[in-house]
Amino acid sequence: KNQVEQSPQSLIILEGKNCTLQCNYTVSPFSNLRWYKQDTGRGPVSLTIMTFSENTKSNGRYTATLDADTKQSSLHITASQLSDSASYICVVSDRGSTLGRLYFGRGTQLTVWP
Amino acid sequence: NAGVTQTPKFRILKIGQSMTLQCTQDMNHNYMYWYRQDPGMGLKLIYYSVGAGITDKGEVPNGYNVSRSTTEDFPLRLELAAPSQTSVYFCASSYSLLAGEYNEQFFGPGTRLTVL
Repeated sequence: KNQVEQSPQSLIILEGKNCTLQCNYTVSPFSNLRWYKQDTGRGPVSLTIMTFSENTKSNGRYTATLDADTKQSSLHITASQLSDSASYICVVSDRGSTLGRLYFGRGTQLTVWP
Repeated sequence: NAGVTQTPKFRILKIGQSMTLQCTQDMNHNYMYWYRQDPGMGLKLIYYSVGAGITDKGEVPNGYNVSRSTTEDFPLRLELAAPSQTSVYFCASSYSLLAGEYNEQFFGPGTRLTVL
């Protein structure tokens, strides 16, 4: 069964600290993996995308990694800011059909305290 | 360029009532989607469309209907609202197929629906 599991479910850190969010997936055949940021009351916004051949992708203070062999990804946030408080969602695409399908994780709720 | 817009932002319905959630995108995307997001759960696909006049069911289509008469608009219709349909609804659009590398979905701000 194709699934995306994220951990931890929630995380609280102090402003300026680093943190790492985890995503494990069983989706096959794999197409790509995206990390989305969802602010409270807003729709998700894409942060990074990685295909099978990529193992690291950065977007400012956000760095995503992908290990396609172990089917694991992580999102590392450096020098956190209050505006990083949000839900971070891991989304994996398959290429099992013409359209493809997205599998959404439940998200990690990150809270950054001053 | 407004992206994806949704109306209304909030709505309370009584059991058995009907309503239409509106979604419009101005990016000329062929692909559009409706998701629901329940608390603590991942987004679930309700319906999608690959172009004007073409729609298909997603994971959880029961109790909903859609139409796609234009590229820009993709309304979601709830008939006979039930408490199980209490959720946040997101409309999204994309330039390419979900399986494609450049398949970024652009999401609207969501509609929070409560059925009492």
